[in-house]
Amino acid sequence: GAGVSQSPRYKVAKRGQDVALRCDPISGHVSLFWYQQALGQGPEFLTYFQNEAQLDKSGLPSDRFFAERPEGSVSTLKIQRTQQEDSAVYLCASSSNSGGSVNIQYFGAGTRLSVL
Amino acid sequence: GQNIDQPTEMTATEGAIVQINCTYQTSGFNGLFWYQQHAGEAPTFLSYNVLDGLEEKGRFSSFLSRSKGYSYLLLKELQMKDSASYLCAADNYGQNFVFGPGTRLSVLP
Repeated sequence: GAGVSQSPRYKVAKRGQDVALRCDPISGHVSLFWYQQALGQGPEFLTYFQNEAQLDKSGLPSDRFFAERPEGSVSTLKIQRTQQEDSAVYLCASSSNSGGSVNIQYFGAGTRLSVL
Repeated sequence: GQNIDQPTEMTATEGAIVQINCTYQTSGFNGLFWYQQHAGEAPTFLSYNVLDGLEEKGRFSSFLSRSKGYSYLLLKELQMKDSASYLCAADNYGQNFVFGPGTRLSVLP
């Protein structure tokens, strides 16, 4: 597609519910990243995929957070047993990882998650 | 550790020039990126520096000093639509970006 697409744009969940957030990266982009952005703050890294391989998940805040990219394109971020502190905007980014020294990350508009 | 610092808020007048500073300390570094983010929208790429010096792209310029761990974004001929948050990010060898808190710029008429 023309850009990174995320769905849903808004999600309201009751505390304890499971949620799944979807990211469609730019077609052909090898690398995919998930970030969490609290209100008024910069994005914080959650996890990174190269094709279908999850190379870094050091930013995931707890074992309730799980991400996958089974076919190396679309990715899903799943949060189990949501808590109020999970309320944030979840941003997805992709880059071509063309092998050059610079890999610009292109971001989606994010999913705003509100946990009540 | 990793730390990116930038001012939280700035105000400038339409038509003026504004400089947004960013200092960084990261364990891995492969370049410094600047993004613009309007409220509720995706961060959009503005500029990057890998080597020391100034990169100019129209009304936007970015500068990097690797030895000082310092960068700035320069916006010229400010327009009302430039009111947004500006995010400074250090590239950790393509593995991820480490972002600063963002600078919220308000352009006044």
